[in-house]
Amino acid sequence: DADVTQTPRNRITKTGKRIMLECSQTKGHDRMYWYRQDPGLGLRLIYYSFDVKDINKGEISDGYSVSRQAQAKFSLSLESAIPNQTALYFCATSDHSSGLSYNEQFFGPGTRLTVL
Amino acid sequence: AQTVTQSQPEMSVQEAETVTLSCTYDTSESNYYLFWYKQPPSRQMILVIRQEAYKQQNATENRFSVNFQKAAKSFSLKISDSQLGDTAMYFCAFYGGATNKLIFGTGTLLAVQP
Repeated sequence: DADVTQTPRNRITKTGKRIMLECSQTKGHDRMYWYRQDPGLGLRLIYYSFDVKDINKGEISDGYSVSRQAQAKFSLSLESAIPNQTALYFCATSDHSSGLSYNEQFFGPGTRLTVL
Repeated sequence: AQTVTQSQPEMSVQEAETVTLSCTYDTSESNYYLFWYKQPPSRQMILVIRQEAYKQQNATENRFSVNFQKAAKSFSLKISDSQLGDTAMYFCAFYGGATNKLIFGTGTLLAVQP
């Protein structure tokens, strides 16, 4: 079974609809992240969470919100989807509980979102 | 602010040959990490290789190696004996201890030709 899962894998929706993308992990990592990938722009950080009570805005948080329901779950919401939010969305996790200065980020399989 | 630049949007190489992907970055930090990620058509993000800035020795992982030039802020990826399965988008990324964020370049699409 995959360590970082995302649901749904693909979604087509209409402008103005509320959409939630979900991420779950079985790795026991404390940190979780949401990225957006657009052609020619690479991956950009939307929100990140260092633990259940810690939520931080990333580079492009406008139009998005998140919820860290538990250590293993981190959801991304689009309250009112618009066409320029059409993109590939990735969830990632990392483990910093050991106190090391950096630990690898592990990515989920991605969610392809299309807003019509 | 840290930035990562990949100036080659697309590259092509013949199977079994060697190719080098370029990456430059800008930072004022002294303690940081650099990475190359591979994204095949399956879209999964796969870590290829990492380099700690405090290490002078260039990292290697089988057919993948880097040329890390700290003073020039350059971090290129060399793929030797290219294989068809190396066809993918490659992203260079930077992680600095001060920001605790992974910053990606815009990617280089590599096509390995038979």
